[in-house]
Order: sequence, then structure tokens, then C-alpha cells
Amino acid sequence: DTGVSQNPRHKITKRGQNVTFRCDPISEHNRLYWYRQTLGQGPEFLTYFQNEAQLEKSRLLSDRFSAERPKGSFSTLEIQRTEQGDSAMYLCASSLQGTQYFGPGTRLLVL
Amino acid sequence: AQTVTQSQPEMSVQEAETVTLSCTYDTSESNYYLFWYKQPPSRQMILVIRQEAYKQQNATENRFSVNFQKAAKSFSLKISDSQLGDTAMYFCASLISNFGNEKLTFGTGTRLTIIP
Repeated sequence: DTGVSQNPRHKITKRGQNVTFRCDPISEHNRLYWYRQTLGQGPEFLTYFQNEAQLEKSRLLSDRFSAERPKGSFSTLEIQRTEQGDSAMYLCASSLQGTQYFGPGTRLLVL
Repeated sequence: AQTVTQSQPEMSVQEAETVTLSCTYDTSESNYYLFWYKQPPSRQMILVIRQEAYKQQNATENRFSVNFQKAAKSFSLKISDSQLGDTAMYFCASLISNFGNEKLTFGTGTRLTIIP
């Protein structure tokens, strides 16, 4: 069991650029989640996949955000036309049932 | 909607002492899970302990135990014989176990510092 991995671990970008993050879940887990965590706060839910189906999206996920999970394995989260308010830690988690296990996160800084 | 409240932003305790972190939650669902996660400085979120709402017995994991009061919607975490490695942000979270609604709802966290 290698755990949940996320790449890149850090990303600095200029306002207006597009960024893409990748999450590789624990291999047998069919559920995958994305959360956003700002400094000093708890994580906030963004979206959730069961296998390749995206079952729920938060109102936090504006039109500039899109997530995919092709073939029900890894997932990508893309942010288009980044804004300074997008600066945060983006966390991925996976589960088989109930308990979610988190990756190390991708810290995004938008200048 | 679910809400989770952690009313202690920061706590500190001497090494080897016992500390209790508070959490209250609100849900209209009858079937749910409660969790405590630990997030050490600049490190990833780690599961500390989990409690199923239908179980009356309080969960324990080595030095970590919970006091689950379902009627009061309270879920506190007790850390016994605290160690320097317990220094971290601790988040309480709830999850409704209905298909299609699997998101964790987190509290704002308690920053715990263990003093040598």
C-alpha cells in the first residue's frame, strides 16, 4: 500500500495561467475526493468520484475548475484562468468505504 | 447541512499529560461517521480515530480515545501520555454514509502544542 500521491507538491503560477494537478489514489479504492484548504482552516469539499463518475460538485467549484477521473484510476484537477483567490492547498483523498485517506496535497500560489 | 464546531483554536499541554479536544456537530441524519484527523506542520493529514454513529462503545486507538455523546452531538478526543510528536492541528470531521453524499465536513481545527 503506497498511499495517496499527488503531483506536483508545489506550484507557483501567474494570474491568468492554467494549472493542472494530479492525484493517484490507493490502488483498490474506488472513491476519490478533492478538497481545498486555506491557511488556518479545515479542508472544504470540492468534488467526489466513484470510479469514473463524478457524483457531486461543491458550489465552490466554479466554471474555471474541472476535474476528471478517466478509467476510474488517477484524477486531474484543472484550474483555468487562475486568480489570486485560488491560492490554497489542494488535497486529494481516496476511500473504499467510509474512511478517507489523504495525500500530501499540492500547494498552489497564484502571483 | 452538516456543521462541525471546534471551539478551541489553540491548546498546549506538558509532555506526558492528558489533553481533551472538544468537538460538536449537527446533522439530521441517523447514519454517519465521525473522525479525528491530525495534520502535523507541513505534513499530510493522518487519520487518528473513527467512530460509527450506530456504535455505543467509544472508539480507542492506543493513547487516543473518544467520548461520543450522541444525544448531545459531542465527540471529544482524549490524548493520554502526550508526546512531542502529537504536536499538530487536529480536525474533527463528520461524514454521512448515504450513497452520493460522501463528503467530509471539517471543523476549523485545534492547534495542539506539546511542551517538553
